[in-house]
Amino acid sequence: DQQVKQNSPSLSVQEGRISILNCDYTNSMFDYFLWYKKYPAEGPTFLISISSIKDKNEDGRFTVFLNKSAKHLSLHIVPSQPGDSAVYFCAASAGGAQKLVFGQGTRLTINP
Amino acid sequence: KAGVTQTPRYLIKTRGQQVTLSCSPISGHRSVSWYQQTPGQGLQFLFEYFSETQRNKGNFPGRFSGRQFSNSRSEMNVSTLELGDSALYLCASSLALGDTQYFGPGTRLTVL
Repeated sequence: DQQVKQNSPSLSVQEGRISILNCDYTNSMFDYFLWYKKYPAEGPTFLISISSIKDKNEDGRFTVFLNKSAKHLSLHIVPSQPGDSAVYFCAASAGGAQKLVFGQGTRLTINP
Repeated sequence: KAGVTQTPRYLIKTRGQQVTLSCSPISGHRSVSWYQQTPGQGLQFLFEYFSETQRNKGNFPGRFSGRQFSNSRSEMNVSTLELGDSALYLCASSLALGDTQYFGPGTRLTVL
């Protein structure tokens, strides 16, 4: 029973364009959502989060959108840079950022 | 400020042995969580500690245990190792329960 799903295992985007990573969840109790980036041989790096009382949160080039009715969130990266190439995980939790449930990850490749 | 540190970074054990992994949180962080990452199951929550008490637990057998010390450092132990325990074990720290979690580089455990 996968409560958090990232249906695209990989995504390829040209440098300078927008990268959009998607995530769906099934548990209506989830009220906090996060995105992490992971390079090989490193732990996940926190990128951005959003609570269920908001539908958008921005931090520099990164914006997360939350659609509660569709149980869907997305991460937009604008403009995409070569250093953004990594695996991106979305995570969800109930009651703050604890006991995180992760998606399977999407490998983003930024092409020059 | 130093990040989350985990020791050792790599470990090889044989079936039936036990192993102890260590995690030092970011200075000032009082909550420590542990996750297991495998190719098949992805990132899965093991347990979370705050103020030396286990506050949350994932769906893992009793062979997986942990503890937290008064200085917030944490250890996790796996007894009677099985081949399927081969994984990357990640530790994450946060200021308190429910706050954003920051991950360490992980310990790569191989069970032969």
